[in-house]
Amino acid sequence: AQSVTQPDIHITVSEGASLELRCNYSYGATPYLFWYVQSPGQGLQLLLKYFSGDTLVQGIKGFEAEFKRSQSSFNLRKPSVHWSDAAEYFCAVGATGNTPLVFGKGTRLSVIA
Amino acid sequence: GAGVSQSPSNKVTEKGKDVELRCDPISGHTALYWYRQSLGQGLEFLIYFQGNSAPDKSGLPSDRFSAERTGGSVSTLTIQRTQQEDSAVYLCASSPTTLNTGELFFGEGSRLTVL
Repeated sequence: AQSVTQPDIHITVSEGASLELRCNYSYGATPYLFWYVQSPGQGLQLLLKYFSGDTLVQGIKGFEAEFKRSQSSFNLRKPSVHWSDAAEYFCAVGATGNTPLVFGKGTRLSVIA
Repeated sequence: GAGVSQSPSNKVTEKGKDVELRCDPISGHTALYWYRQSLGQGLEFLIYFQGNSAPDKSGLPSDRFSAERTGGSVSTLTIQRTQQEDSAVYLCASSPTTLNTGELFFGEGSRLTVL
């Protein structure tokens, strides 16, 4: 069965600092990987996704993520965080066939001045 | 509509009552999903509809939970005899294709509080 682990429940960074949110997955074949962001009181929005090809994927809002098969990881990064990035971030894994996305428990990002 | 619409946005009910939550997906999207988001628990899959196929109900936590999708569009999630542990945000998502080739488009959720 697929599973996703986001080891960090809550991260606080200073505005302008770099950010890395960790995501580890468990899946036997090549997974489909996603990062979603949930701002307070809003639904989830897709940041980026990986299906195949280049292991470094670019997303919206200046985010990127790198798929590392050897480490079963898909970490999210941003070189310079803005106060508006404060939100909850969810990593998710999908598989071939009609199986639903499996989400991690999320990482809450706080941004301080 | 432009996005996935869910109603009500907030529902407070008493233990033992039945509740219905509605989801109106993006027009033309064939796949529809319900997830539950509890504090500190992330998103828990509940049920998935794809076109006219039989729904995948494997995530429903008990027989008090059911869902239907009428005419391949609007979906209703019903919780019978609500319990306090049912308190959560119920999220609906839709997708224009089968799950593994496209993103999910989420509604803003229905927050359920069971007193």
